[in-house]
Amino acid sequence: KQEVTQIPAALSVPEGENLVLNCSFTDSAIYNLQWFRQDPGKGLTSLLLIQSSQREQTSGRLNASLDKSSGRSTLYIAASQPGDSATYLCAVRLYNAGGTSYGKLTFGQGTILTVHP
Amino acid sequence: DVKVTQSSRYLVKRTGEKVFLECVQDMDHENMFWYRQDPGLGLRLIYFSYDVKMKEKGDIPEGYSVSREKKERFSLILESASTNQTSMYLCASRLHPGTEAFFGQGTRLTVV
Repeated sequence: KQEVTQIPAALSVPEGENLVLNCSFTDSAIYNLQWFRQDPGKGLTSLLLIQSSQREQTSGRLNASLDKSSGRSTLYIAASQPGDSATYLCAVRLYNAGGTSYGKLTFGQGTILTVHP
Repeated sequence: DVKVTQSSRYLVKRTGEKVFLECVQDMDHENMFWYRQDPGLGLRLIYFSYDVKMKEKGDIPEGYSVSREKKERFSLILESASTNQTSMYLCASRLHPGTEAFFGQGTRLTVV
């Protein structure tokens, strides 16, 4: 059974810092991995999708990397801002077809990020 | 931009009521999902649908059913609401398994 772990559970940093959020998964046979942010009481907003054949994806100040063999992904946020404060979630989709695992996204518990001015 | 719309942001229902949560997407996506999110438990998959009239149970389907009669709409049904179904419900869709998933704004359901 795929398990996804995010470390740290919470992070508080001053504005302007570069930071790294970690996501690890137990089954390396993933199809892709997606990072989301969630503001309190709201739905999830997609940030980046990395396919299993890719090593990294970039969007603005965000960079996500993927090391399938070691079961890890990192989300790098450059020059953090108070508006980046949110919960960040990673989710993996397994590669195997058939059954209820096909297409299913398995989520980590999230990292709560606070960026203070 | 993809839009996934859930019919209600907040809902309060009584124990034993039949509850319908509606989700609509406007991008002709094949796959649609229903998750619930609870503190300490994270997001858990209730049901997903890979095409019209096709559905599969997720990790916690007990007490729920779903309906997908049209491609754009995926309904979650609580046959007889119970207090342990108080939760945040999140709908998602994507074109197919290799593509990005998009979520709705969530429905906070309280069963009293």
